[in-house]
Amino acid sequence: EPEVTQTPSHQVTQMGQEVILRCVPISNHLYFYWYRQILGQKVEFLVSFYNNEISEKSEIFDDQFSVERPDGSNFTLKIRSTKLEDSAMYFCASSEGGTGYEQYFGPGTRLTVT
Amino acid sequence: AQTVTQSQPEMSVQEAETVTLSCTYDTSENNYYLFWYKQPPSRQMILVIRQEAYKQQNATENRFSVNFQKAAKSFSLKISDSQLGDTAMYFCASKNYGGSQGNLIFGKGTKLSVKP
Repeated sequence: EPEVTQTPSHQVTQMGQEVILRCVPISNHLYFYWYRQILGQKVEFLVSFYNNEISEKSEIFDDQFSVERPDGSNFTLKIRSTKLEDSAMYFCASSEGGTGYEQYFGPGTRLTVT
Repeated sequence: AQTVTQSQPEMSVQEAETVTLSCTYDTSENNYYLFWYKQPPSRQMILVIRQEAYKQQNATENRFSVNFQKAAKSFSLKISDSQLGDTAMYFCASKNYGGSQGNLIFGKGTKLSVKP
């Protein structure tokens, strides 16, 4: 069965550095998402992406964050200048359609900012 | 704003027994979806069951069923004949119908341990 994959599984970076988290969504899916979960807290929506543009973003998704689908298969989340509070598990998801369609999640990337 | 609350951080159940996980939510919308996701240790979240708010009939998927009480804004998950493979974090989530493309609202999760 097709799965969403994410790399790396764990990323350690120093405060102020840029990081890129990578995701390969399921191949026939058209909608892509990023969520994050700070340890001990809820999974929070960051951004959704469709037709090569952001369709929705949360207040967490500020100018430090950007998303891109550079080559038709990868979907990336870039954090330009990481802060300690960016330490979290980042989940990518994809779906065939928008509202009502099941979102398939990747295993997550644990980002640790020191 | 939508909120989802799971009041049981951890639960345990004996193999073959039945367990119910609680979830309450708050929304001003009339049409929405509710979901239970399962996240086994070190593996991705997978959808267990989904309920559309306009449907009165409770959703079922094999050993998994929900008790959807729209007026009370309650959406509990019942797992019958629990198996060791059911050990996981369980997340309740909601999503408005229409409008937003992605915005799943999650609860904090319930860690379920199935004991042999």
